[in-house]
Amino acid sequence: QVQLQESGPGLLKPSQTLSLTCSVSGGSVTRGNYFWGWVRQHPETGLEWIGCTSYSEGTYYNPSLESRVTISLDMSQNHFSLKLNSVTAADSALYYCARESRTGINYIDYWGQGTLVTVSS
Amino acid sequence: DVVMTQSPLSLPVTPGEPASISCRSSQSLLYSNGKNYVNWYVQRPGQSPQLLIYLASNRASGVPDRFSGSGSGTDFTLEISRVEAEDVGVYYCMQPLRSPWTFGQGTKVDIK
Repeated sequence: QVQLQESGPGLLKPSQTLSLTCSVSGGSVTRGNYFWGWVRQHPETGLEWIGCTSYSEGTYYNPSLESRVTISLDMSQNHFSLKLNSVTAADSALYYCARESRTGINYIDYWGQGTLVTVSS
Repeated sequence: DVVMTQSPLSLPVTPGEPASISCRSSQSLLYSNGKNYVNWYVQRPGQSPQLLIYLASNRASGVPDRFSGSGSGTDFTLEISRVEAEDVGVYYCMQPLRSPWTFGQGTKVDIK
């Protein structure tokens, strides 16, 4: 059973960089056919896919965030990270890490519990 | 981006009665392999989303058979044959065909 756990600061000021880490247990981030990504949830606008990365099949980002976002794997720690720079209040949301399958049967099958990020001066 | 539009946004239900949620996409989600790329998730209170249905009509592992999905192209439906109290939550459709993956706005299901 794969388990995902987000960690990182919950309060940021505008223009700072959001940095979150997702620790993976019960599975390896180097396992083929899976991508490791992030989804955020705004109370007003719902669920938004941010992007994902994989050990061997590249990285995809939401074009709306691509200029500010980086998702990377740390194989030695079996975790992956999200960096979003130049944050504004609009980036305040509940951030989930997630595992994606993109084998032709595409879905998100595992989610972390979510971590709340607030951007405020 | 593909826009996913759900209706209704709120659905009060009576236990034991059926329930149905509609999802319409702004572009066809029928791929050349004959599969429809729509998933359904439920987010129960205080929890993360959970996969219910993938490829429009396939139940995920452990999902009760009272849940079923149907549809093709741009119109999809999630049905609950007999609602139980534990089915309370927000239901989302989602398309994993075209990047970026996008979600519907959610349908809140609660007990009358």
